Amino acid sequence: GAVVSQHPSWVICKSGTSVKIECRSLDFQATTMFWYRQFPKQSLMLMATSNEGSKATYEQGVEKDKFLINHASLTLSTLTVTSAHPEDSSFYICSASGVGGRAYEQYFGPGTRLTVT
Amino acid sequence: GENVEQHPSTLSVQEGDSAVIKCTYSDSASNYFPWYKQELGKGPQLIIDIRSNVGEKKDQRIAVTLNKTAKHFSLHITETQPEDSAVYFCAASMGAGNKLTFGGGTRVLVKP
Repeated sequence: GAVVSQHPSWVICKSGTSVKIECRSLDFQATTMFWYRQFPKQSLMLMATSNEGSKATYEQGVEKDKFLINHASLTLSTLTVTSAHPEDSSFYICSASGVGGRAYEQYFGPGTRLTVT
Repeated sequence: GENVEQHPSTLSVQEGDSAVIKCTYSDSASNYFPWYKQELGKGPQLIIDIRSNVGEKKDQRIAVTLNKTAKHFSLHITETQPEDSAVYFCAASMGAGNKLTFGGGTRVLVKP
């Protein structure tokens, strides 16, 4: 149990275009989802926290107009990187936490590698 | 805000030996401390966690200890195997639905 999927697993896009990444909790309801960014050989950097039906809370320094987050249902959150540039190339990972006995734990997706050319 | 420091940054052990990774946290309000294992190109996998009302937790070859007074917690892996080679992250949060603050990670290499 507690499986989180991400789609796509990797994507290459041209500078100036937008890319959408999906995060799904497959076997539990995720009241809260988190989006992280990870550079090579570094730790995870939290970008934003989203609760179902509410606006996302962004961490300091993260551009909310560039990284659009939508958490429309208890099983799906999306991250859209708008007007992507090469510096946005990174490994993006989502995590989800649920209700009841799964309220504390965060379960991570497999990640999406974004390359902007 | 919370700050989590993790040591060592790299750890090389012989197969069968034990590995210990230590973390300290700064915010006494933190009450949940998970450990994650991340393999190359994959998302982190929760391997064990501990809440602040418990001092120690064990799951087969993995154990975690927590010292709330000193604000530090540790991961212990016994009888290491080559498949234990990965990057391990500690984290701290203030509980249900709250964000995690991660340590810098420890790259563990188990030599056969």
